[in-house]
Amino acid sequence: RKEVEQDPGPFNVPEGATVAFNCTYSNSASQSFFWYRQDCRKEPKLLMSVYSSGNEDGRFTAQLNRASQYISLLIRDSKLSDSATYLCVVNSRNNDMRFGAGTRLTVKP
Amino acid sequence: EADIYQTPRYLVIGTGKKITLECSQTMGHDKMYWYQQDPGMELHLIHYSYGVNSTEKGDLSSESTVSRIRTEHFPLTLESARPSHTSQYLCASSHGTSGPDTQYFGPGTRLTVL
Repeated sequence: RKEVEQDPGPFNVPEGATVAFNCTYSNSASQSFFWYRQDCRKEPKLLMSVYSSGNEDGRFTAQLNRASQYISLLIRDSKLSDSATYLCVVNSRNNDMRFGAGTRLTVKP
Repeated sequence: EADIYQTPRYLVIGTGKKITLECSQTMGHDKMYWYQQDPGMELHLIHYSYGVNSTEKGDLSSESTVSRIRTEHFPLTLESARPSHTSQYLCASSHGTSGPDTQYFGPGTRLTVL
């Protein structure tokens, strides 16, 4: 079993839709969680950290469920520019970062 | 924008050549990483470093080697390139602190070995 697992998608949604991605992790000792965004043929860029109490940044909401060992990303009012691959990243206890394989999102007009 | 740079951005070479991919960061980060990523596929960690004179192999075995003589510089070398090495190579760095340790990525080197 992979340490970080994501639904690869693709998720094809119309503009304005709300879409949610989940990511599960296997190491219960994980301390830090992130969502990265990677555009086609570009490098990954930090989208947002995920805090225990959940956090919001504009149209993006991240949540952590330690008991079930998953994190989620909710995107409201999808824009065409949201089309990308979203990578779930989890730190293990020794601070090694584990990247998920990514979930591909395509927002269509 | 992160201050981490990679050169060359694109490289096309013949089999058997020795190549070095350069990575530099000006953020004073202790930790640096090399990832390999094929198009549409996941990132694979091939090397990392906790600081000067520290190098470790990652999860994916690689025929490449790395060195860390200076904090800001983490070059990756392939002694004899083969077509199977064709891929994108991404360098990253992070503070290496005990808290959330965000990684910042360079723009990548797209390598094609003929």
